Amino acid sequence: GQNIDQPTEMTATEGAIVQINCTYQTSGFNGLFWYQQHAGEAPTFLSYNVLDGLEEKGRFSSFLSRSKGYSYLLLKELQMKDSASYLCAVQDSNYQLIWGAGTKLIIKP
Amino acid sequence: GAVVSQHPSRVICKSGTSVKIECRSLDFQATTMFWYRQFPKKSLMLMATSNEGSKATYEQGVEKDKFLINHASLTLSTLTVTSAHPEDSSFYICSARGQADYEQYFGPGTRLTVT
Repeated sequence: GQNIDQPTEMTATEGAIVQINCTYQTSGFNGLFWYQQHAGEAPTFLSYNVLDGLEEKGRFSSFLSRSKGYSYLLLKELQMKDSASYLCAVQDSNYQLIWGAGTKLIIKP
Repeated sequence: GAVVSQHPSRVICKSGTSVKIECRSLDFQATTMFWYRQFPKKSLMLMATSNEGSKATYEQGVEKDKFLINHASLTLSTLTVTSAHPEDSSFYICSARGQADYEQYFGPGTRLTVT
């Protein structure tokens, strides 16, 4: 079956760095997405990785290793507004998104 | 970037009535639209995938007679929750994808409350 695993909840301090991991097992692979979702809102796109390596976009970076079925989202210089759920999703061979359950990130002052 | 709208953003209806939710791609042609449902503190659950001009493909466990999906044009898809019950209360999110695009663009979501 298809499976996406990510931690349920993480806590970090304002100004620090946090890494959210995602491992996956899917039928085919056409890219991995990270989305941010604030409570009660739709997800917003953060990053897309289809090749191995690190993609940096401002305070957020995303890494992919296809051979290991592994990705992480790195958030630097954490701000209170970064408190949200972070969803990992893999696009399978049919280009459908398989979603992880999301990681709730709590930022403390 | 591509914009997807949903209407209404919030709706409260009485048990037994039907509710229609619209999903529109505002500045691109969406050959494929997806309807998701999200329960509190849980991830998104894909309900169905619709391609313009053809019948929607429903995920296992989703009642096609209860959740009617129409994708009549390249910019509009509708989800109708028929004979709604309190257990249908949820956050419904649509997303749209263009023909030559890998990314799904999400609508803002519709919160349905059935009383």
